[in-house]
Amino acid sequence: NAGVTQTPKFQVLKTGQSMTLQCAQDMNHEYMSWYRQDPGMGLRLIHYSVGAGITDQGEVPNGYNVSRSTTEDFPLRLLSAAPSQTSVYFCASAPVHSGNTIYFGEGSWLTVV
Amino acid sequence: GQQVMQIPQYQHVQEGEDFTTYCNSSTTLSNIQWYKQRPGGHPVFLIQLVKSGEVKKQKRLTFQFGEAKKNSSLHITATQTTDVGTYFCAGASYDKVIFGPGTSLSVIP
Repeated sequence: NAGVTQTPKFQVLKTGQSMTLQCAQDMNHEYMSWYRQDPGMGLRLIHYSVGAGITDQGEVPNGYNVSRSTTEDFPLRLLSAAPSQTSVYFCASAPVHSGNTIYFGEGSWLTVV
Repeated sequence: GQQVMQIPQYQHVQEGEDFTTYCNSSTTLSNIQWYKQRPGGHPVFLIQLVKSGEVKKQKRLTFQFGEAKKNSSLHITATQTTDVGTYFCAGASYDKVIFGPGTSLSVIP
């Protein structure tokens, strides 16, 4: 049971570099999303998708891009990393959208120096 | 936009004491979900409430959904050290799920 798989688990970036956080789920879930977690801020929604080919912005989308070319994959791209993007990133999926249990990946710890 | 608030931010209790965290949304919710995150881990689903005034129990945990579907609470009776972690409520509205900032629970043995 792979569930939601995120890679990499840890990454250090220099300011201005770009990178992609990978997320894949094998549960045939329509809904996928990315959250970032910072101390005292809880989980903030970055982008989400209700199905292949459809994406939308969450609470804190600036500096991030997403695409959803397949049901299984939902990569998160940092275009030009900034220290403010140092955070723990969680990918999540659900069978449909807001009415169902959300399953989280194990998280990606990103540090931007 | 939709905002979800939780209080308190932190709670330290002696083992055996009760614990309650409260969740409030700025908008009416279609449902509310509760998650628990252990230190260093990822959030794990606990329960979902859908109906106005709904109350659900899971052993020592009691969850309530307000009549107006804008607030909720989680009550833990007789806390144990295994209850340590951060408890998040998540409000679902249309196609978004917005999380509250969480309540971090410490249990002193």
